[in-house]
Amino acid sequence: GAVVSQHPSWVICKSGTSVKIECRSLDFQATTMFWYRQFPKQSLMLMATSNEGSKATYEQGVEKDKFLINHASLTLSTLTVTSAHPEDSSFYICSVGTGYYEQYFGPGTRLTVT
Amino acid sequence: DQQVKQNSPSLSVQEGRISILNCDYTNSMFDYFLWYKKYPAEGPTFLISISSIKDKNEDGRFTVFLNKSAKHLSLHIVPSQPGDSAVYFCAASGNNAGNMLTFGGGTRLMVKP
Repeated sequence: GAVVSQHPSWVICKSGTSVKIECRSLDFQATTMFWYRQFPKQSLMLMATSNEGSKATYEQGVEKDKFLINHASLTLSTLTVTSAHPEDSSFYICSVGTGYYEQYFGPGTRLTVT
Repeated sequence: DQQVKQNSPSLSVQEGRISILNCDYTNSMFDYFLWYKKYPAEGPTFLISISSIKDKNEDGRFTVFLNKSAKHLSLHIVPSQPGDSAVYFCAASGNNAGNMLTFGGGTRLMVKP
């Protein structure tokens, strides 16, 4: 599988500010990465598919101008939550697609917006 | 409309016994199924998968069974251990889905010593 890291693991920010979350594929050249969010006691909801060198594909209902995704290299994708609000508080998880069906997940980032 | 469902939100099992987690799906285009294990505040960990051309796949204590006609799969853990206590998600994908996974709602397994 692929080893995936995320940074930071936990972040608190004030309402109205922006937060950037990094997702790194440590041992695999990832042309495709995925971003999910998970609310407490709920399933993982796919937000967007991040493609290296091209624009991300967002799921229905996800605001692309609010959740900016950049996949500038084969090992790094970033998710920026712009003008964060308390309702954006969630657990954000990225994953790496290895070209087959399996995805390998990062450890997640807990975002709290106050 | 939930395409992948895990109807049991929780399951409690005694250590050493078998744990059976169930998952149902509705989309007949799904042809690959996966199980992930997740601890709180961590990302999911891949456990085991099965292709639709098979009806069983085994890896150590974990076995996944697929019943295509019933659109049902199950994960068997035997013997169950306290360290298996976690939330288990089943996921499904199809060859036309661009490697996207559709997740079920998860089942919280508690293995009691």
